[in-house]
Amino acid sequence: AQSVTQLDSQVPVFEEAPVELRCNYSSSVSVYLFWYVQYPNQGLQLLLKYLSGSTLVKGINGFEAEFNKSQTSFHLRKPSVHISDTAEYFCAVSEDNQGGKLIFGQGTELSVKP
Amino acid sequence: DAMVIQNPRYQVTQFGKPVTLSCSQTLNHNVMYWYQQKSSQAPKLLFHYYDKDFNNEADTPDNFQSRRPNTSFCFLDIRSPGLGDAAMYLCATSRDIGTLFYEQYFGPGTRLTVT
Repeated sequence: AQSVTQLDSQVPVFEEAPVELRCNYSSSVSVYLFWYVQYPNQGLQLLLKYLSGSTLVKGINGFEAEFNKSQTSFHLRKPSVHISDTAEYFCAVSEDNQGGKLIFGQGTELSVKP
Repeated sequence: DAMVIQNPRYQVTQFGKPVTLSCSQTLNHNVMYWYQQKSSQAPKLLFHYYDKDFNNEADTPDNFQSRRPNTSFCFLDIRSPGLGDAAMYLCATSRDIGTLFYEQYFGPGTRLTVT
């Protein structure tokens, strides 16, 4: 069965510093991978997705992620964070035979400090 | 703008008192989902509708029901809320479902408090 592990529950970082949020998944079939952002008391917003093709995916707000099939990882990165990036980030996976069902990781709380 | 709307944004109900949460969409999507997200946890899929076909997740309690009277609206009914049902409830839609990926669009959520 597929599962998603976000290795860090909280990541504190100073403004303008780089950040990496880690995500590993397990699946025996081809997968689609996603990162969502959730601001306090808001719904989920799609940051970026990997469906096929280039393993480096660029998303909104300057975020990017790299799909590494051999390491079953899909880590999210940003070279310079802003205070406004403070939010909860969820990695999610969907198997291509599961009709679009999303399985989410536990989330990583990114806290950007001035 | 096309969007997913959830009402109310905050709902307080009493232990055991039935409550209904509402979701509407202007995207004309075929699929509507309901997720439960407890504090500091990942969203968990409760069920989804593909058009009028209802699909329940195996571990969704019987206490949770859903109705989709038309394409635009979907309701989540909690028949007898317990303290453990306090959570954020997220509605999402997607254009279709199948072997291709169709992006899910999320509403802002309804935060349910049970007293």
